[in-house]
Amino acid sequence: DTAVSQTPKYLVTQMGNDKSIKCEQNLGHDTMYWYKQDSKKFLKIMFSYNNKELIINETVPNRFSPKSPDKAHLNLHINSLELGDSAVYFCASSQGLYGTATGELFFGEGSRLTVL
Amino acid sequence: GENVEQHPSTLSVQEGDSAVIKCTYSDSASNYFPWYKQELGKRPQLIIDIRSNVGEKKDQRIAVTLNKTAKHFSLHITETQPEDSAVYFCAARGTDKLVFGAGTILRVKS
Repeated sequence: DTAVSQTPKYLVTQMGNDKSIKCEQNLGHDTMYWYKQDSKKFLKIMFSYNNKELIINETVPNRFSPKSPDKAHLNLHINSLELGDSAVYFCASSQGLYGTATGELFFGEGSRLTVL
Repeated sequence: GENVEQHPSTLSVQEGDSAVIKCTYSDSASNYFPWYKQELGKRPQLIIDIRSNVGEKKDQRIAVTLNKTAKHFSLHITETQPEDSAVYFCAARGTDKLVFGAGTILRVKS
């Protein structure tokens, strides 16, 4: 039973389109995150939600809009996709903000977005 | 805010040799330092972590050391094996966020 699952795993789309990535965790964690990993492998935090409340928004363009309907789900919607949005997007969860309780981030398998 | 620098960016070692990856951090309030391993095409996974009240921690072939005065910490892998080949990320948790280093690509040649 996958702890953090995200869909789709692969996404290929044209510039200007709008797309969404969904994430669900069954660990009972109260905090969820979206990370972007570019071609150089750098892991950069985008957003963090704690109990459905937006906690961190790291200078991400307004075209990116997260939504957390409940603490087990965190979705990412991207409008007007650009070439530079091509990356692997990882969802993650932890107990407490940045794992303050247990220390560990649990990552999903990633969603590879390719914008043509 | 916290800034984490990681070196080297790539590291090639012969199977059986040791590998050392070093990180420095800027926020003296940082108190938690995890290391994540990411195999090709997979998710990052925690392999070891250390808290600020400890100087060294070992788990089989991997160990982490922390020097709070100098604000640096290191990952040591002994008797490297081909399955150790991956990208390794250090991270530091300060007062408000967990910041990752840029990653080290470790290649173990057999």
